[in-house]
Amino acid sequence: GAVVSQHPSWVICKSGTSVKIECRSLDFQATTMFWYRQFPKQSLMLMATSNEGSKATYEQGVEKDKFLINHASLTLSTLTVTSAHPEDSSFYICSAISSGRAGDTQYFGPGTRLTVL
Amino acid sequence: GENVEQHPSTLSVQEGDSAVIKCTYSDSASNYFPWYKQELGKRPQLIIDIRSNVGEKKDQRIAVTLNKTAKHFSLHITETQPEDSAVYFCAASIKGYSTLTFGKGTMLLVSP
Repeated sequence: GAVVSQHPSWVICKSGTSVKIECRSLDFQATTMFWYRQFPKQSLMLMATSNEGSKATYEQGVEKDKFLINHASLTLSTLTVTSAHPEDSSFYICSAISSGRAGDTQYFGPGTRLTVL
Repeated sequence: GENVEQHPSTLSVQEGDSAVIKCTYSDSASNYFPWYKQELGKRPQLIIDIRSNVGEKKDQRIAVTLNKTAKHFSLHITETQPEDSAVYFCAASIKGYSTLTFGKGTMLLVSP
């Protein structure tokens, strides 16, 4: 299957700082990527849809000024958590769409564990 | 919007038994139904998916069935092994829209 990478795999930061997470599709081009947040023992919650060359689409309740998304190329999307606070601590996972003959399939990155002190 | 319900939330079986996880969805326009397996602290891995033009799909010990009339689909794992222990998520999406709506997950525990 298609490979999606994410960097960093984990990060610890102080409250009030900003953290950037990168999501890359390694062997395919992805016009659409997604950002999810997952709290312990819970399901994946979609935060936003990242579209190459245009503004991201945010889900209801997700602050676009706090979670900045940039999809600058067909293989890279970034999520910046601005002025992070302890409640932002979570597992952030990106995914990318790979289009095949049978249709679109969504592949996930390995996730980034963010801990805000 | 789409709503996906998944049951049970936890499932314990003995090695060699079968496991069945069921999901229902609300939007009749949904036509793509993937299943993901997620081990603790790792990414969700696609294990099988089904599109609405088929009613059943099988891949070795894993099978998925789809009933579009009743708007439910199920994951079947036969001859379970301890390494099958993980959280399994079902999801649904509408053709032309890649956004997936996930169920809440089922923690499967396979005891040796």
